[in-house]
Amino acid sequence: LAKTTQPISMDSYEGQEVNITCSHNNIATNDYITWYQQFPSQGPRFIIQGYKTKVTNEVASLFIPADRKSSTLSLPRVSLSDTAVYYCLVGEMYSGGGADGLTFGKGTHLIIQP
Amino acid sequence: DAGITQSPRHKVTETGTPVTLRCHQTENHRYMYWYRQDPGHGLRLIHYSYGVKDTDKGEVSDGYSVSRSKTEDFLLTLESATSSQTSVYFCASRSSGTNTGELFFGEGSRLTVL
Repeated sequence: LAKTTQPISMDSYEGQEVNITCSHNNIATNDYITWYQQFPSQGPRFIIQGYKTKVTNEVASLFIPADRKSSTLSLPRVSLSDTAVYYCLVGEMYSGGGADGLTFGKGTHLIIQP
Repeated sequence: DAGITQSPRHKVTETGTPVTLRCHQTENHRYMYWYRQDPGHGLRLIHYSYGVKDTDKGEVSDGYSVSRSKTEDFLLTLESATSSQTSVYFCASRSSGTNTGELFFGEGSRLTVL
């Protein structure tokens, strides 16, 4: 399983763009990169997933360089409600019912201030 | 959101007593998972299931057992609860047919062992 490293915490302000980087130096060829968001007292929620280059959806963008050894979750114009813990997961998501790609780690606690 | 519910949502029990947490999903998802979440540790996988009567251990399975007799239900049992099992437990499920492997989480069950 590819091990991931993320900052423990980050601070930013409303209206700013926030970038959270995840390192995964031993990512395998078949591994995908997935990000989840978790609010206090709730279960994590899927944000975005990618394999290479850039993926964008209505809430975030995911940038993956050519070597895929890291990835960056970008949150545009954050608000107070984006304060949460963000998890980066790496694994072969289509390997069936195994646990590959389902290791959450400690995540990044993002705090947005007014 | 996927229909996944956990019960009980809160439970206080004493050391040495058996405890069963129930996870119920209405999405006909094949795969189901139990995690625990503790301060400083993030989410850790306890057990998972890849079909009815098919289960396997995660990274912190000692002291826990699981059963899955129906697609919709995944039970987590603590045969003899200990104070170290005080935690928030999250259940998750995912379909075998999605192209993201997205996990859908329940709201969590807070267990206190005195």
